[in-house]
Formats: sequence, structure tokens, C-alpha cells
Amino acid sequence: QKEVEQNSGPLSVPEGAIASLNCTYSDRVSQSFFWYRQYSGKSPELIMSIYSNGDKEDGRFTAQLNKASQYVSLLIRDSQPSDSATYLCAVNTVGGATNKLIFGTGTLLAVQP
Amino acid sequence: DAGVIQSPRHEVTEMGQEVTLRCKPISGHDYLFWYRQTMMRGLELLIYFNNNVPIDDSGMPEDRFSAKMPNASFSTLKIQPSEPRDSAVYFCASSLAGETGELFFGEGSRLTVL
Repeated sequence: QKEVEQNSGPLSVPEGAIASLNCTYSDRVSQSFFWYRQYSGKSPELIMSIYSNGDKEDGRFTAQLNKASQYVSLLIRDSQPSDSATYLCAVNTVGGATNKLIFGTGTLLAVQP
Repeated sequence: DAGVIQSPRHEVTEMGQEVTLRCKPISGHDYLFWYRQTMMRGLELLIYFNNNVPIDDSGMPEDRFSAKMPNASFSTLKIQPSEPRDSAVYFCASSLAGETGELFFGEGSRLTVL
């Protein structure tokens, strides 16, 4: 079993809709979780972090964490064509001062104008 | 700051040749990571350093791969001999200490082994 699993997509949504991206992880001791965005041909960049159960909102983005179910999700409201990218879920499997991140394979999001 | 700098951006080589990828992390960052990205396997952590010391190399696929960090501003990832299955984009990333999850990635080195 992979440590971090994501549906590869593509997930296609119309402009203005809510995009929902999901991720599961296998290591129960993981404490911190992140979402990265990667545009085609570019490097990944951090967009959201979440450390405790519940929701965390930042602009149009909401990260959700359920440690009991080992599940992390990212909601993008009012999706824009510029949101079209691959979204990578990442888990810190060490914690402390070390940002040792294990990434999922990513979900490709396509926002249709 | 110029960000994480990697070279070369593209490398095409033949099977059996030695490949050296280079990385300059962001000044002041304590950690340096080497990742490999392919369509099939996604972004895989190969090795990471803390204050120039290798901490975890469990992701290095085999003995053909080696990485060094002789000082705080330079790291190399070497593949010898290279094989077609090593074809991938290799990313270097650096970060400060602290569980922020924020890795700063370079633009990557796209390696093609024929």
C-alpha cells in the first residue's frame, strides 16, 4: 500500500463550480498535512497546510482533515481556469523540525471555461 | 533571493554514462531534499540532508545513485551507470527547520537516458 494515495484524475469541473480533491494516508502517526499545486512543466508550490482535525480556510481554498479516517481533502470554491493544475497531497512522516514530506501521485484538475 | 537553482535543466545521455545533477539551495536553509518525479510513481523522496549531513537515503533506488553535500550551498546527485529507467525529472528542494511543510523547489532537471 502506498503511503499517500490520490485519484489521478483528471477531475473536470466547470468554471465557478467547487472542485473536491481527496487523499488518504497510511501512517497513523502522521501529524501534518499539506497541499501543493504543480502547473504543467513547473515545480510544486505549497498552497495549504493543516495540522488538526476539521476545516481550515484560506481564500477560495479549504483543507479538511479527519485523522480517524486518515483522510485529507482540498476544496476549491469558484474554480477558475487558472486553477487547472496537478494537486499533490503531502504528509510529514517525521515531524519535529524536519519537513520530510511524502507525496501522493497527484490529481489533475481541469477547470472548463 | 534567487531561489533553489538546479543544473542542468535538461540532460540527454546514453545508457551506461555517468550523470551528475547539481543544486544550490536557498541561503540559510537547513534542509536539502532530492526528489524524483515520474508519471507512474509521482514525486519520490530519494535522500535528504540536514546541515550538510545525509539523514535518510532510504529512497535511493540502488547503489548506482549517490548524493553529496560538501557545503551548505551545493549538492550533487550522481547516477553511474545510468539506465533508461532513470529517465525522470529530478527536483532539489530546500527548507528551513520547523514543521511548516514548506519546501522550496528548484525548476528541476529533466533527465532522458537513451
